[in-house]
Amino acid sequence: QQQVKQSPQSLIVQKGGIPIINCAYENTAFDYFPWYQQFPGKGPALLIAIRPDVSEKKEGRFTISFNKSAKQFSLHIMDSQPGDSATYFCAVVGVSSGSARQLTFGSGTQLTVLP
Amino acid sequence: DAGVIQSPRHEVTEMGQEVTLRCKPISGHNSLFWYRQTMMRGLELLIYFNNNVPIDDSGMPEDRFSAKMPNASFSTLKIQPSEPRDSAVYFCASTLGPRGNQPQHFGDGTRLSIL
Repeated sequence: QQQVKQSPQSLIVQKGGIPIINCAYENTAFDYFPWYQQFPGKGPALLIAIRPDVSEKKEGRFTISFNKSAKQFSLHIMDSQPGDSATYFCAVVGVSSGSARQLTFGSGTQLTVLP
Repeated sequence: DAGVIQSPRHEVTEMGQEVTLRCKPISGHNSLFWYRQTMMRGLELLIYFNNNVPIDDSGMPEDRFSAKMPNASFSTLKIQPSEPRDSAVYFCASTLGPRGNQPQHFGDGTRLSIL
């Protein structure tokens, strides 16, 4: 059972473009929505996160847009740079089994920013 | 500050052998997670410890997998006997508190190849 669906699987943009990565979730018990960035040979690292009581959060060039009624959230990268080339994972957090609050990751988006 | 430290970084072994992966969480963190990453299944949570106690091991694929956390600064993930389908990158992550809204800090992973 896939609790969070992420798209697209891969994305190529030119430097300065605005890549957008989308995620949709099913369980309304989720209450925290982070995005992680992963470079080759490294573990994922938290990039930005949002709670469902706000519709947008911006940190530097990274923005999360959140639509609670549609159960969707997206990551926008403004003025993208070649150094942003990485795999991006959305995630959801909430009570899924027992009392543990766990991260459930989307399938990932491989972003390439061309110079 | 030292991040999450995993060892070995790479492991190649033959089918049927015992494999032990090691993790040192960030000092002061009291929650520890083991994940497996593959192209087919993405990032999967295997097991989660809080204060050295296993809280949720529902992601452990089979009885061949076991994990221990004998103290706050060390955890192991053991596969015995190993099979080719266990080949993956295994990540350890730690965080402060069980609430799930604290960022999880990932190690750089162990790339495991079972021949």
